[in-house]
Amino acid sequence: QQQVKQSPQSLIVQKGGISIINCAYENTAFDYFPWYQQFPGKGPALLIAIRPDVSEKKEGRFTISFNKSAKQFSLHIMDSQPGDSATYFCAGGAGGTSYGKLTFGQGTILTVHP
Amino acid sequence: EAQVTQNPRYLITVTGKKLTVTCSQNMNHEYMSWYRQDPGLGLRQIYYSMNVEVTDKGDVPEGYKVSRKEKRNFPLILESPSPNQTSLYFCASRRPLVGGNEQFFGPGTRLTVL
Repeated sequence: QQQVKQSPQSLIVQKGGISIINCAYENTAFDYFPWYQQFPGKGPALLIAIRPDVSEKKEGRFTISFNKSAKQFSLHIMDSQPGDSATYFCAGGAGGTSYGKLTFGQGTILTVHP
Repeated sequence: EAQVTQNPRYLITVTGKKLTVTCSQNMNHEYMSWYRQDPGLGLRQIYYSMNVEVTDKGDVPEGYKVSRKEKRNFPLILESPSPNQTSLYFCASRRPLVGGNEQFFGPGTRLTVL
């Protein structure tokens, strides 16, 4: 079963616009929510991550918004640039007996037009 | 340079011909993992290893084997590949959980089974 559902599958944004990708999770044991960025021909790389004790985390143009009660979190990319064009994956992770395993969403292909 | 390496990067083979994809990391990480990436399904964990000689199944282990005889290496073995194992494979490693959950991914191996 897909424990992390990500939408949309693909997203096209104009340069300077805001890109928004949403994720919903089911496993209440998740205590770590990262976003990974993947460029063509490369492996995913950590972009930004949040723990459930805060509702928002911002790093430069990238912001995670987290809603624990709704079990949802989202990635906002402000002032989107063509260099942001990539595939984005959200994930949920749990410690304890899950040993920090990450469960990934389906991925979103972002295209930013110049 | 801290990195995860995989070989080969591309492989075309035929049904039933045993193959091994190697993975090596130079960060002294204890935790290593294999994922497969398929369109619309995101990244799914195949096997993981908490340390030398300690391995366990992920979400999609059928048709795969792994071994962890040395800390730095974690090969993925397909003893009798089938066309449904055509996919993009990633190896990843992680620092001890107390130090954070970030996983470092290799560049990927694109496998085609005819």
